[in-house]
Amino acid sequence: QVQLQESGPGLVKPSETLSLICTVSGDDSISGNYWSWIRQPAGKGLEWIGRMHSSGSTNQNPSLKSRVTMSVDTSKNQFSLKVTSVTAADTAVYYCAREDYASGSYPLFDSWGQGTLVTVSS
Amino acid sequence: DIQMTQSPSSLSASVGDRVTITCRASQNINVYLNWYQQKPGKAPKLLIYAASSLQSGVTSRFSGSGFGTDFTLSISSLEVEDFATYFCQQSYNLPRTFGQGTKLEIK
Repeated sequence: QVQLQESGPGLVKPSETLSLICTVSGDDSISGNYWSWIRQPAGKGLEWIGRMHSSGSTNQNPSLKSRVTMSVDTSKNQFSLKVTSVTAADTAVYYCAREDYASGSYPLFDSWGQGTLVTVSS
Repeated sequence: DIQMTQSPSSLSASVGDRVTITCRASQNINVYLNWYQQKPGKAPKLLIYAASSLQSGVTSRFSGSGFGTDFTLSISSLEVEDFATYFCQQSYNLPRTFGQGTKLEIK
């Protein structure tokens, strides 16, 4: 069973860069899978930020694309997220999640980290 | 982007009731629709994928149906642990998008 754990600063100043790492452990490795970042402002819905494949290819939400960078370190079983020029609107719980393909065809988020709250404030 | 709209936004029900939550997509998504349950302070948990397939380990009190643009999640005989917020999510294309959520509360 795969486990995911987010880590990173809980407080970021406006205009600075938010940086998070997701560490994957368990009987799965980061290779051969898609790994996503999803965020949730307090009391609100879920927003998909983007995903990356272990090969290094990425897809990002156009709503954030110009501010988002994702990378992967397969040797450490980690993938990371950076969001630049943050504002209060970026305050949210950030989740990392694995996107698997059921029956090889149907994408789904079957494993999630516990989430980490990032607050943007001076 | 594909817009996902859930109804109702909130729902009060009693233990033992059967409830149904609806999710509508802004365009045809075939059966590329997943349902998640989220409890306060916890990550979402996958319940149903591909519109009607039950995720391993999830109780059969949950069921899903639909095709195209209209989908439903049904919970038969509610138990206390079912009171939570439910989200639908389309996996037809990128960016992945979620419904706004339906909060199921105890009456």
